[in-house]
Amino acid sequence: QSVLTQPPSASGTPGQRVTISCSGSSSSIGNNYVYWYQQLPGTAPKLLIYRNNQRPSGVPDRLSGSKSGTSASLAISGLRSEDEAAYYCAAWDDSLSGPVFGGGTKLTVL
Amino acid sequence: EEQLVESGGGLVQPGGSLRLSCAASGFTFSSYAMTWVRQAPGKGLEWVSATSGSGGSTYYADSVKGRFTISRDNSKNTLYLQMNSLRAEDTAVYYCAKGSSYHYDSIAYFDYWGQGTLVTVSS
Repeated sequence: QSVLTQPPSASGTPGQRVTISCSGSSSSIGNNYVYWYQQLPGTAPKLLIYRNNQRPSGVPDRLSGSKSGTSASLAISGLRSEDEAAYYCAAWDDSLSGPVFGGGTKLTVL
Repeated sequence: EEQLVESGGGLVQPGGSLRLSCAASGFTFSSYAMTWVRQAPGKGLEWVSATSGSGGSTYYADSVKGRFTISRDNSKNTLYLQMNSLRAEDTAVYYCAKGSSYHYDSIAYFDYWGQGTLVTVSS
């Protein structure tokens, strides 16, 4: 069972806006940055968002991250077929002295 | 361009040992912390271990502490994971990833990942 909680699945049609939530605790998300990774089928994870809402170069601005209290979310606007992937949130956990991940959300583009 | 290539995975019996390697290129290896993250078949990601840029500081998840040892050879730009007393629950794809800074701490994150190597623990 993952320390961070994500919905197992999400879906949307091309052009839509979808959000993926991530819930933690005061020792994880509540006191630390949140990160988001994308994993396309059969490939390695790729960093999408760091430090709650920062995008690495090359990540389009239709992806955005936010955090409030002990929860965070990833928003994808202008949904495209290539966005179909698994998305993982992550954060440091002070009580475990290490990073923890969510269980992942599989995004389907209908 | 940053590149990480893992190797050393395979089939091993319970109680056995395996040593994973991760060859790095495209960045100054000794300037960055490095980490191992694993993914059991059909499951999510689990952090395993990390080391600082010098290798002088190491960190482990409770699930592998005392059984796994992380190390690095900065002269060879290579990260290692020595895995002993392997269990069925260690079966996973093991990814190495580059840290965002020299130190491994609460503000560090993983900005580049290798393609992974599969470890299967089974009799």
